[in-house]
Amino acid sequence: KQEVTQIPAALSVPEGENLVLNCSFTDSAIYNLQWFRQDPGKGLTSLLLIQSSQREQTSGRLNASLDKSSGRSTLYIAASQPGDSATYLCAVSSLYDYKLSFGAGTTVTVRA
Amino acid sequence: DTGVSQDPRHKITKRGQNVTFRCDPISEHNRLYWYRQTLGQGPEFLTYFQNEAQLEKSRLLSDRFSAERPKGSFSTLEIQRTEQGDSAMYLCASRLRREETQYFGPGTRLLVL
Repeated sequence: KQEVTQIPAALSVPEGENLVLNCSFTDSAIYNLQWFRQDPGKGLTSLLLIQSSQREQTSGRLNASLDKSSGRSTLYIAASQPGDSATYLCAVSSLYDYKLSFGAGTTVTVRA
Repeated sequence: DTGVSQDPRHKITKRGQNVTFRCDPISEHNRLYWYRQTLGQGPEFLTYFQNEAQLEKSRLLSDRFSAERPKGSFSTLEIQRTEQGDSAMYLCASRLRREETQYFGPGTRLLVL
């Protein structure tokens, strides 16, 4: 069974600082890895999707890397803003049926 | 069509009652997934459909849970004889077969008293 772990569980930084969120998974037979954002009491918004053959993906201030062989991904958020405060979830997609296995998330607070 | 919709957004029920949730996927998305999320945890897979066929059910889905997707459009998730442990956010997601991204709805938050 795929196990996904996210460290740290919570993070508080001053505005402008760069954020580094870590995700690890136990089974490297994945189709892709996605990073999601979840605001309190809301659904999930997809931020970045990295295919298993890719090493990284970028969107604006967000950059995600993937090292499939070691079972790790890192999400970098540059120049954080208070609006970046949310829970960030990492999910890996099964090779066979695309169902997602999620980590418990990292809750980020950016202080103004 | 702006995205996946779920109804109701919130549901409070008493233990032992039956509840039903609805998910309307993005038009033409043939894959539909249900997940459950408890407080402080990531979503956990429950079941998924390819068109109207239910292809897999998690062991989390006890006999009290049933899901349908008639005609391959909207889906319903029913919980019979609810228990306090069923209290959670129920999330629905959909995707096109040829695409990899799953698009999530806003969820239905269930509280069983």
